[in-house]
Amino acid sequence: QSVLTQPPSASGTPGQRVTISCSGSSSNIGSNTVNWYQQLPGTAPKLLIYGLNQRPSGVPERLSGSKSGTSASLAISGLQSEDEAEYYCAAWDDSLDGYVFGTGTTVTVL
Amino acid sequence: QVQLQQSGPGLLTPSETLSLTCTVSGGSISDHYWNWIRQPAGKGLEWIGRIYSSGATSFNPSLKSRVIMSLDTSKNQFSLKLSSVTAADTAVYYCARGEYCTSGRCYAGLAYWGQGAQVTVSS
Repeated sequence: QSVLTQPPSASGTPGQRVTISCSGSSSNIGSNTVNWYQQLPGTAPKLLIYGLNQRPSGVPERLSGSKSGTSASLAISGLQSEDEAEYYCAAWDDSLDGYVFGTGTTVTVL
Repeated sequence: QVQLQQSGPGLLTPSETLSLTCTVSGGSISDHYWNWIRQPAGKGLEWIGRIYSSGATSFNPSLKSRVIMSLDTSKNQFSLKLSSVTAADTAVYYCARGEYCTSGRCYAGLAYWGQGAQVTVSS
């Protein structure tokens, strides 16, 4: 059972902005950095966000992360067909002494 | 460019021990956390555990009693053993490095992943 809660789905038309939320607690999001991953069908997840909402090399600037208290969010601006994928948030949980993933959100480009 | 290559049997019978190995190329196994993650078909990601290059480990509490992780620095490899498997352990298993490093600093995040290995437990 996932410790971090995400909406099951999100959608938008090309060019729109889509935001995915991730709700946690003081022992994970509240006290540690949040990572975001993108997973295309049949492939390994790809790191999108690390640290203080930074992007690894090659991840476009139209993807951005933010955090407030025990919640985090990933925003995708200028939505493109290639953004259709499953997205997961994740963070270290101090109480569990382990890394926890969100429930996952399917993004659909209409 | 860091690359992770997974290997191990894909079909097990209940009660057997799952054994997977991940070989790291393009970088050293030292000074990093090495993780195992799994994903049942159609479901989300589940973190299994991690091992630091010193040998220190952390595990998912739900799997802790059945998991052993080890590493071989001479071969730049790390391994997972999961004992007493059941059908519930059927999943794609991934290995991953636990940090993204840039400009001389490293940050938490599973930056490099293996290709994934389908493990099926069936009698």
